[in-house]
Amino acid sequence: DAKTTQPTSMDCAEGRAANLPCNHSTISGNEYVYWYRQIHSQGPQYIIHGLKNNETNEMASLIITEDRKSSTLILPHATLRDTAVYYCIVVSGNTGKLIFGQGTTLQVKP
Amino acid sequence: DTAVSQTPKYLVTQMGNDKSIKCEQNLGHDTMYWYKQDSKKFLKIMFSYNNKELIINETVPNRFSPKSPDKAHLNLHINSLELGDSAVYFCASSPTSGRAGNEQFFGPGTRLTVL
Repeated sequence: DAKTTQPTSMDCAEGRAANLPCNHSTISGNEYVYWYRQIHSQGPQYIIHGLKNNETNEMASLIITEDRKSSTLILPHATLRDTAVYYCIVVSGNTGKLIFGQGTTLQVKP
Repeated sequence: DTAVSQTPKYLVTQMGNDKSIKCEQNLGHDTMYWYKQDSKKFLKIMFSYNNKELIINETVPNRFSPKSPDKAHLNLHINSLELGDSAVYFCASSPTSGRAGNEQFFGPGTRLTVL
């Protein structure tokens, strides 16, 4: 599975959009980009995933560049409860094997 | 109506003991997983079962033995506990072992402390 690179930490003001970048320059054609988050002391939570098209759900939007070498997770109106570690994971289409990196610690501030 | 539950939430035990952690999911999923999160917060997959059959077995000491009595349960038994086993253990489940298997639902975790 392709490796991902994320900033170690980011801050965001409450009510503003949080844009979390992820580089996955070695991604291959059948690999998906998944995003999870882990709020302190809780189990990880699935957010969204995509292959090459942009995706949106009730939690977030996922923007994948045309060359698929990077993506951005967007939380449109961050709240204090969005403070968490956000993981960008690239997965081959049929493994179910998630490899978590260090993720990005997002701190949403009042 | 908890989706993925684990018991116990906390487990404190002595080195050398044998202990079990239980996991149950009521989502009707076919696949279940065990992950370990160490003190540095790295989260790593240990095992995966699909319909009671082992499908992922990472490099884990054979003191760790998963047991799946049915597809709603995946228990983790650990023999001869060592200090390095101290961690938070998460159970997860997903609909299938395919691409949808990457949409995993995690339990609240069991914090194991070995003294």
